[in-house]
Amino acid sequence: AQSVTQLGSHVSVSEGALVLLRCNYSSSVPPYLFWYVQYPNQGLQLLLKYTTGATLVKGINGFEAEFKKSETSFHLTKPSAHMSDAAEYFCAVTLRGGSQGNLIFGKGTKLSVKP
Amino acid sequence: DAMVIQNPRYQVTQFGKPVTLSCSQTLNHNVMYWYQQKSSQAPKLLFHYYDKDFNNEADTPDNFQSRRPNTSFCFLDIRSPGLGDAAMYLCATSHGQGSSTEAFFGQGTRLTVV
Repeated sequence: AQSVTQLGSHVSVSEGALVLLRCNYSSSVPPYLFWYVQYPNQGLQLLLKYTTGATLVKGINGFEAEFKKSETSFHLTKPSAHMSDAAEYFCAVTLRGGSQGNLIFGKGTKLSVKP
Repeated sequence: DAMVIQNPRYQVTQFGKPVTLSCSQTLNHNVMYWYQQKSSQAPKLLFHYYDKDFNNEADTPDNFQSRRPNTSFCFLDIRSPGLGDAAMYLCATSHGQGSSTEAFFGQGTRLTVV
């Protein structure tokens, strides 16, 4: 069965610093991989996804993530944090070849940005 | 230009009193999902519709039901809400059932049970 592990339930960075949010997956077959952002009392917004092709994926708001099959990882990065990046971030997978877009989410990482 | 709209944003209901949450979409997507997100937890899929075909997750309690009268609307019915059902309920849609397709989420309905 697939699962997603996000290391660190809370991450705090200073404005302008590098953001690194970690995600590892467990799946017998490499899944499709997604990062979503959730602002307080809001729904989820897709930041980026990896399905096939180039393993470095660029998303919205300056975020990017790299799929590393050997490490079963899909870590999210942003070179320079902005105050508006403060939110909760969810890594999610769906099973490649599956019959439905059933997202399995990690537990989330809450990002705080200090001035 | 909201694409997935959930009403209401906040709902307070009494313990044991049936409640219905609604979701509508302007994307003409054929798949609609309901997720439950408890405080500080990840969203968890309750069920989804592929067109009119209903697909229930194995561990979704019988207390939760859903209706999809047409492509645009989907409802979540909680027959007898308990205190443990207090959560954010998220509706999402996607085009097709392929597992690489992006899901579009509504803003959610936060349910409080008193």
